[in-house]
Amino acid sequence: GAGVSQTPSNKVTEKGKYVELRCDPISGHTALYWYRQSLGQGPEFLIYFQGTGAADDSGLPNDRFFAVRPEGSVSTLKIQRTERGDSAVYLCASSLKGVAGRYNEQFFGPGTRLTVL
Amino acid sequence: EDQVTQSPEALRLQEGESSSLNCSYTVSGLRGLFWYRQDPGKGPEFLFTLYSAGEEKEKERLKATLTKKESFLHITAPKPEDSATYLCAVQAMNSGGYQKVTFGTGTKLQVIP
Repeated sequence: GAGVSQTPSNKVTEKGKYVELRCDPISGHTALYWYRQSLGQGPEFLIYFQGTGAADDSGLPNDRFFAVRPEGSVSTLKIQRTERGDSAVYLCASSLKGVAGRYNEQFFGPGTRLTVL
Repeated sequence: EDQVTQSPEALRLQEGESSSLNCSYTVSGLRGLFWYRQDPGKGPEFLFTLYSAGEEKEKERLKATLTKKESFLHITAPKPEDSATYLCAVQAMNSGGYQKVTFGTGTKLQVIP
């Protein structure tokens, strides 16, 4: 079946511009995560959705970052007034919520490489 | 604050030379420890989930184990196609009652033919 897809695969923008990054999770996966990964680092947690609501947004670095998932499927990560330090690969993952307090594995998309000039 | 430390940062093995990767963690309320493989330019690919100390999982040449403080990924007789970055992640409940995921920085494995 289809995996997690992310668009665009690459985005180059200028400092101060607004960008939107899209994630299409695996059908039926209720949990959706956004991460940011810099070169040589592990993925850094940004936000987690369970259904339509943001269950944990504690990883968002500041109020320039915002994410939505209005219908509980596709999610959009929005970055306002981009800065050069925002350059990274933005990864999206989805999973099924497990039972008995456990969590299932996450399936990752290929990522969007964001470059802020 | 949850912490995940992986060692070594990089590992170079000859084909067939077995070794282990380490993931040590400090977290309260562990809900699961995950191992992923990441190839250059791609998203991480799931390998294993471990939920409690003493648990072990195996898949082909890989075996993951878990204690209360660390996890090991054992690679037996590796092949060049095992070359990748191996990531460890822990999932735990934070003070707000929400689950949170913390990744380590990974071990970059190179297997030489």
